[in-house]
Amino acid sequence: DQQVKQNSPSLSVQEGRISILNCDYTNSMFDYFLWYKKYPAEGPTFLISISSIKDKNEDGRFTVFLNKSAKHLSLHIVPSQPGDSAVYFCAASVWAGSYQLTFGKGTKLSVIP
Amino acid sequence: NAGVTQTPKFQVLKTGQSMTLQCAQDMNHNSMYWYRQDPGMGLRLIYYSASEGTTDKGEVPNGYNVSRLNKREFSLRLESAAPSQTSVYFCASRTGENTEAFFGQGTRLTVV
Repeated sequence: DQQVKQNSPSLSVQEGRISILNCDYTNSMFDYFLWYKKYPAEGPTFLISISSIKDKNEDGRFTVFLNKSAKHLSLHIVPSQPGDSAVYFCAASVWAGSYQLTFGKGTKLSVIP
Repeated sequence: NAGVTQTPKFQVLKTGQSMTLQCAQDMNHNSMYWYRQDPGMGLRLIYYSASEGTTDKGEVPNGYNVSRLNKREFSLRLESAAPSQTSVYFCASRTGENTEAFFGQGTRLTVV
């Protein structure tokens, strides 16, 4: 049973426009959420996170929104740049004897110049 | 600052062979993780270690063993490799609290 779901395998956006990547989760005990970016042949790199006690966190062009009642979070990238083209993974953390980190399947973002 | 270092970067094994993937971190992190990435499957947790001396199974542990040698090092062993274990393997570390995890560059393993 997949606890973190990214239902869009891919997304294409024009340069300069907004990119919105979505993520849903099923475990209401998750209390910390993260977004990672991954380029081919590299390891995932941390992008931005949000605690379950907040509903928004912003860092430059990147904003993460959390809707706990809907068990949904989203990553907004404004404005999108060609260098943002990568696979984006949503992850969620919960204490289960230790802090486990569960990932979604990823969304491939293509920013078209 | 090296962060998380994985060796080797690439490996080809024959079915039935064994090998150990090495991972070391220099950030004094308590928790370490092994994930595998397969097309369309995202990152799936194989094993993790919450702290030195402890290891636990993740989502897909079958066919693997791990050793938390010390606080810095967490190795993943394939005792008898199978083609289904062809994948990209990532090691990650974390402080042990709710913070971001740092990943290594990955090991691309092919089992023929």
